[in-house]
Amino acid sequence: DQQVKQNSPSLSVQEGRISILNCDYTNSMFDYFLWYKKYPAEGPTFLISISSIKDKNEDGRFTVFLNKSAKHLSLHIVPSQPGDSAVYFCAASGGSGNTPLVFGKGTRLSVIA
Amino acid sequence: DAGVTQSPTHLIKTRGQHVTLRCSPISGHKSVSWYQQVLGQGPQFIFQYYEKEERGRGNFPDRFSARQFPNYSSELNVNALLLGDSALYLCASSYQGYGYTFGSGTRLTVV
Repeated sequence: DQQVKQNSPSLSVQEGRISILNCDYTNSMFDYFLWYKKYPAEGPTFLISISSIKDKNEDGRFTVFLNKSAKHLSLHIVPSQPGDSAVYFCAASGGSGNTPLVFGKGTRLSVIA
Repeated sequence: DAGVTQSPTHLIKTRGQHVTLRCSPISGHKSVSWYQQVLGQGPQFIFQYYEKEERGRGNFPDRFSARQFPNYSSELNVNALLLGDSALYLCASSYQGYGYTFGSGTRLTVV
């Protein structure tokens, strides 16, 4: 029973274009959402997060959108760069601080020069 | 400042053996969590410790145990290793439970 779903295992985008990575969740108790980026042989690196009281958070080339009614969030990367090629994980937590993260299976992004 | 450090980086064990993995959190972080990532999956929560007390446990058998020391470092122990325990074990530390920083992980191979 997956509470956080990333339905696209892979995505290929041309350099300079927009990358859109999607994530759906089922647990209404989740109130904090994060995106992590992972290179091989490294741990996940935090990218950007959003609280459920917001519908958008922006940090440089990265923007996360949250649609609570649809239980859907997305990560936009503009413009995409070859160094963005990695596996991206969506994660959610809820209830209160110090609650564990629930991860999706990840989406492998390939940015083609 | 050092990030989250995990040791060892790689480990090969035989079925039935036990293993101890270690984690040092970022200085000042009092919360440590352990996650298991198998190939093709996202990290799955195993344990969380805060101020040396267990605050949460994921759906893992009793062969898995952990503890947190007074200096907030942590150990994950796995007994009676199975082939299916082969995975990347990740440690994450947090100051107040929302901003988790992960270490590079320990790659455990059980043969």
